[in-house]
Amino acid sequence: AQKVTQAQTEISVVEKEDVTLDCVYETRDTTYYLFWYKQPPSGELVFLIRRNSFDEQNEISGRYSWNFQKSTSSFNFTITASQVVDSAVFFCALRNTNAGKSTFGDGTTLTVKP
Amino acid sequence: ETGVTQTPRHLVMGMTNKKSLKCEQHLGHNAMYWYKQSAKKPLELMFVYSLEERVENNSVPSRFSPECPNSSHLFLHLHTLQPEDSALYLCASSQEAGAGEQYFGPGTRLTVT
Repeated sequence: AQKVTQAQTEISVVEKEDVTLDCVYETRDTTYYLFWYKQPPSGELVFLIRRNSFDEQNEISGRYSWNFQKSTSSFNFTITASQVVDSAVFFCALRNTNAGKSTFGDGTTLTVKP
Repeated sequence: ETGVTQTPRHLVMGMTNKKSLKCEQHLGHNAMYWYKQSAKKPLELMFVYSLEERVENNSVPSRFSPECPNSSHLFLHLHTLQPEDSALYLCASSQEAGAGEQYFGPGTRLTVT
């Protein structure tokens, strides 16, 4: 069985602070994909990043960066110099390669205050 | 139109009504999905279609009936729903069912009275 745990239900920071959203996953598959999605108040989930299980390179995209550590089954997401527009619910997801089965975490609600 | 569109955006229906949710993707993808997002629960995968064929059905009650007439369109037919079915219903698509990121529509906010 697959499981994704986002232990932080809600995080509140002040603008310009750095913030890390944690994601821990469980799977018996050797090949899988990890994702982060952002859900702003409008409701539409927006894809941010995909990582496959063989690629442990960290990635940076502007103020966003991701740290994938297979040894600890974690795929954490850091926002540097947060902005009010970053306020949203962020979901971590795990997907195996069999028929598109996806498992989402419960989400972390990030509030960035001015 | 680009991306994934869903209609209607909001729907209020009684428990005896029959309604349908529509999803259309303009991305040339081969896989489409229905998810349910409730206030107290995480995203729940309901159905997966790959090339118009249903490949995943996550023990969804029969009062929800999906239809995929072609790879660009996906419907969710609703009948005799319960108040606990009130939720945000999200449609998504991806290039293939077994890989790749999913692109989501804006969702249909369903309220069952």
